Amino acid sequence: AQSVSQHNHHVILSEAASLELGCNYSYGGTVNLFWYVQYPGQHLQLLLKYFSGDPLVKGIKGFEAEFIKSKFSFNLRKPSVQWSDTAEYFCAVNNNNDMRFGAGTRLTVKP
Amino acid sequence: GAVVSQHPSWVICKSGTSVKIECRSLDFQATTMFWYRQFPKQSLMLMATSNEGSKATYEQGVEKDKFLINHASLTLSTLTVTSAHPEDSSFYICSLGTGTHYEQYFGPGTRLTVT
Repeated sequence: AQSVSQHNHHVILSEAASLELGCNYSYGGTVNLFWYVQYPGQHLQLLLKYFSGDPLVKGIKGFEAEFIKSKFSFNLRKPSVQWSDTAEYFCAVNNNNDMRFGAGTRLTVKP
Repeated sequence: GAVVSQHPSWVICKSGTSVKIECRSLDFQATTMFWYRQFPKQSLMLMATSNEGSKATYEQGVEKDKFLINHASLTLSTLTVTSAHPEDSSFYICSLGTGTHYEQYFGPGTRLTVT
């Protein structure tokens, strides 16, 4: 069965710092990749997704992610974080409607 | 994207009682819906896949007789936690599958507390 690993459990940054959250998956076939964000007290929202084509995908709120097939990775990046980015971030991999989530990374941005 | 609602948003019940959680697709025909469980500070765990008009498919380790899923229409799926116990206290989230690249849209979740 496929699995998803997020390396960072809790990341603390100051405003304007750059962000990179790691995500690796184990499935070797064709997958669809997602990053979701869960703001405090709110439901999961889609940040960005990758299905095919350009491996560098841009999402909402200035986030982007790069799919590196050889590394089975789909890391999330943002050049300059804001206090409002404080949230839980989940990487997810979907193969044939089998969606698996990583454990999540809690991001705390200090003003 | 599709809009998914859940009702109730939170519920407290006594041990031994049953609780029904509704998941509605407001603007999309949901052939497939998914039920997840999220423990505090943990990730989402898929419980079951709900297909309209047929029996749900449960993940390994999930008791189908305890977590009853009904998906009788294209806009509504329900999860009933039967004979609830305190260890069933959790955050239950549903999502609908769009069939397009298997993208899912999530509901706001239901927090269940069993006392």
